Amino acid sequence: GAVVSQHPSWVICKSGTSVKIECRSLDFQATTMFWYRQFPKQSLMLMATSNEGSKATYEQGVEKDKFLINHASLTLSTLTVTSAHPEDSSFYICSARDGVSGRLGMETQYFGPGTRLLVL
Amino acid sequence: DAKTTQPTSMDCAEGRAANLPCNHSTISGNEYVYWYRQIHSQGPQYIIHGLKNNETNEMASLIITEDRKSSTLILPHATLRDTAVYYCIVRVVGFNKFYFGSGTKLNVKP
Repeated sequence: GAVVSQHPSWVICKSGTSVKIECRSLDFQATTMFWYRQFPKQSLMLMATSNEGSKATYEQGVEKDKFLINHASLTLSTLTVTSAHPEDSSFYICSARDGVSGRLGMETQYFGPGTRLLVL
Repeated sequence: DAKTTQPTSMDCAEGRAANLPCNHSTISGNEYVYWYRQIHSQGPQYIIHGLKNNETNEMASLIITEDRKSSTLILPHATLRDTAVYYCIVRVVGFNKFYFGSGTKLNVKP
């Protein structure tokens, strides 16, 4: 299957600072990437859809000014958590849509390994 | 998106088949069934997906009932490394978003 990487794998920062997380599709081009957040013992929650060359679309309740998303190329999307606070501590996961699998409907999403953020 | 219902947890003996059910009684004709799993502290891993026909790959088999209101993911010979949370998701063709439910925690025991 296709490979998606994230960097860093974990980060600790002070409250009030900003943190950038990178998501890369390594062996395919991804016009669309997604960002999820997962709190302990909970399921993944979709935060936003990142489209190459255009503005991201955010799910209801997700602050777009706090979670800045940039999708500048077909293989890279970044999520910046601005002015991070302890409640932003979470597991952030990206996925990339492989839309070139041939048959309509057979495209799927591949997920990165996640980035664990701890805000002190 | 159609809602899915899965049991909270299941146990399976190592080497035996693991059969994970998913109910999606409100599924529409243009919605696919996807299965992913998440091993502790990792990103979800794609397993398999299908529309109405049964599907098989090197990881698992997907059995979808004729009315498409439910499906079963089958791991033919479960190993300890298959211990994970398994998510069943339905998605409209051409609509990219995945919304995860609570999934099934599969515990494979020696």
